[in-house]
This record gives sequence, structure tokens and C-alpha cells, in this order.
Amino acid sequence: AQSVAQPEDQVNVAEGNPLTVKCTYSVSGNPYLFWYVQYPNRGLQFLLKYITGDNLVKGSYGFEAEFNKSQTSFHLKKPSALVSDSALYFCAVRDDTGRRALTFGSGTRLQVQP
Amino acid sequence: EAQVTQNPRYLITVTGKKLTVTCSQNMNHEYMSWYRQDPGLGLRQIYYSMNVEVTDKGDVPEGYKVSRKEKRNFPLILESPSPNQTSLYFCASSANRDRGRGEQYFGPGTRLTVT
Repeated sequence: AQSVAQPEDQVNVAEGNPLTVKCTYSVSGNPYLFWYVQYPNRGLQFLLKYITGDNLVKGSYGFEAEFNKSQTSFHLKKPSALVSDSALYFCAVRDDTGRRALTFGSGTRLQVQP
Repeated sequence: EAQVTQNPRYLITVTGKKLTVTCSQNMNHEYMSWYRQDPGLGLRQIYYSMNVEVTDKGDVPEGYKVSRKEKRNFPLILESPSPNQTSLYFCASSANRDRGRGEQYFGPGTRLTVT
């Protein structure tokens, strides 16, 4: 069975500082990894994904994530946080079978203070 | 605009009263899926569909039914809702191209309360 862990319920960072939201995963076979963001009363918006290739993946709104196979991690990063980045972030993994079910972490709330 | 739509967005109902939550996508995606989101549990897959007339159970299918008669629509049916089905529901879709490795597009969510 596949699983995702987001060890921090909340991350607080000052505007302009770098941010990291942590994610570790467990899956048999090749992992497909995703980050989604959820704003209040909104659906999930896709940020970025790792399927294969370069370990550093760049996505929307200046976010990037680094895939580390040996540590089974896929941490989300941004060099300079904005207040508007405050939201709920979900890491997700799926295996390469046909079911294509995304297994989500429990989410990390990012709070960027002005 | 490419999107996944869900209706209704909010629903309060009583135990045992059958209801249907509709989901529609305009991206010609073959794959569609339903998730429920509960605090502290993230999202869990209820049912999914690889294509028209092809559906299968996800991780938490009990108490739910689905159908996929048309490519664009994937309704979620609760025959006899119970309070433990109070949750936030999301529909998602993705294409089968690129061996199905693309991202899933999510609808805006349906907040269901069963009293």
C-alpha cells in the first residue's frame, strides 16, 4: 500500500523568507508525486509533479520540489514566500498501476506573515 | 475554459434520503474519480472510472454508487446517506495519454451534511 506523510500540520514563515513544506512517501514501484494547493472554499489546484527525469521540478507560482529517492522525500520549496501563498498544501503519490488513485497526505497549512 | 464542475456545492439532507452529486468535465478525459476529504485524513478515493462503462472501487466505497454512461459525466449516488458520510467531496479527471501519468483536475467540491 502506498502512503504519504506530511509531518507538519502547520508551517509559519515570514514574507520574503524561503519556505519548505515536507513530504515523505512510500510506494512500491516507480513513484508519481504531486503537490496540490487548496485555498479556502476552493478545490485543489495542481502545483507540480514528478514523474521521471530531473530531481528538481519547477511548478506554478514560483514553487519547486526536490525528489530524493534515497530519502523517499518530495519537499516543496519556494525561495521567497508571499502572503498570498498562505493556504493548505497537499502532497500526493500514486503508483504506476491503472487504478491511478492518488494517496494524499493529511495536509500542511502554510501561514505567511507580513 | 477547461474545468470540472460539481453540483450541488452545498447540500444538507437527512439520513436515508437518496441523493446524487453530479460531476461533469469538458476536457474529454477518459479517467474520472471521486474523493472525500475529512479533517486529518487528507483525501481518500471512493470510486474511479477508467472510461465509459468501466468503474471500480477505491479505498472507501461503502455506502456509495457510481455510474459512467457518458464520458463527460460521473455522478456519485448515496442510496441511503448516513451521518458518517458528512464530508467534503471532490470529483477529479485526467487524460489517458502519456500512459495516464498526468495530473488530475479537481472540481470545486461539494460539502455534504447528513443529519
